[in-house]
Parts: sequence; structure tokens; C-alpha cells
Amino acid sequence: EPEVTQTPSHQVTQMGQEVILRCVPISNHLYFYWYRQILGQKVEFLVSFYNNEISEKSEIFDDQFSVERPDGSNFTLKIRSTKLEDSAMYFCASSDLAGGADTQYFGPGTRLTVL
Amino acid sequence: AQKITQTQPGMFVQEKEAVTLDCTYDTSDQSYGLFWYKQPSSGEMIFLIYQGSYDEQNATEGRYSLNFQKARKSANLVISASQLGDSAMYFCAMREGKGSQGNLIFGKGTKLSVKP
Repeated sequence: EPEVTQTPSHQVTQMGQEVILRCVPISNHLYFYWYRQILGQKVEFLVSFYNNEISEKSEIFDDQFSVERPDGSNFTLKIRSTKLEDSAMYFCASSDLAGGADTQYFGPGTRLTVL
Repeated sequence: AQKITQTQPGMFVQEKEAVTLDCTYDTSDQSYGLFWYKQPSSGEMIFLIYQGSYDEQNATEGRYSLNFQKARKSANLVISASQLGDSAMYFCAMREGKGSQGNLIFGKGTKLSVKP
């Protein structure tokens, strides 16, 4: 069964460093998303991406964040200068317009720890 | 105002019994989708079930069913014949309008514990 994959599973970084979180969405999906979940809290939307551009972004997704689809398979989230409060689980998700239920399937997440 | 409200921070259920996890939502859109996800202690988000706002039948997926009451704006998840492996956090989420690219809005979740 096709699935969304994410690497790395856990990333530890120093405050102020840049991190790139990687995702491989399900191959025939057209819409891609990033969400984050701070420990013990609810999942929050960051950004959606379609047709090589951002469709929508939340107020969390400030100038420190960027997304890219560098090739036909990868979808990345970059945080330019990490802050302590960026520590969270980051989920990538994808969905298929033609799928009817337009369900967003989530990857296993990357746990980002900023020290 | 909360878009998705899950009023039960924690629930206990005896193995093999059924349990209902509550979810109410708030939207003025006519077209929306409702989802339930399971998050075990390992952290991944597992899609369980989907209900579209225009679906007349309640969604069912195996042991999961969604009790959709549109007038009350509720979308409760019913798990029948609970298993120990059902112990996890459960999140209700809504996708408002905008077609398939609409982002999901999540509730705070309910922690379900299944007792042997």
C-alpha cells in the first residue's frame, strides 16, 4: 500500500541552525501539506502546496519557513534559523484530488528537537 | 471560537466493548469533510474514517463508524469491539470548503485507554 515517507525520523539541532525536513508524498497525489504538533498539543496546519506553489499558509508559517518540491518526488520544509519553540513533531501529508474522499494521508513524522 | 471540539480528554473502555468519542464542529460552509485520525504512542497519524458533508449515509470502516448528525454539527466516532491496540490518542479534524486543497483543522484529541 502506498504511503507517505519522511526523513529523518528524529532531528536534533542547535538554535539558529537551518534544518531541512524531507517528505516523499504518495506518488499520484497532487496536494501536499505540512503540519506540526508541539508535544502534548493538537496538530496545527502550516502550509499547503499545489502545482509547485503555496496554496495556503497559516500564521505560524512565517519568513523562517519555506517549502520546495525540488524534483518529482520530494517535498521539503526548511526552517532557516531554528528557535527553541520550533521543537515539535512535523508531519507531511498528501491527498489526491481524484480520490473522492480527498483524504490527507500523513507520514510518520519527524521529531525536531532544538537545543 | 473552537472549530473542532473534543470534550473528552480521556476515556476508558473495557476490551470488547464499544466506545463513542465525541466531536462537534463549527463551520458556515456547506461543503466540508470530517475525519478521524488515530495517533498511537509511537506518534504517527493514522487515517481512520471520512465523512463528507453531503453524504447521507454514516461512514463505516470495519470496526469504526461515524455517527454524523449534521443538524447538531456532531461527528462522533464509534469503535465497536474495542481491542487493546485501540489504546491511543484520537483526533477529529475538519476540512472546510476549498475543495481538496483545504487544510485540516484538528481538535485537541481524546486519549482512549482500553482495559483488559
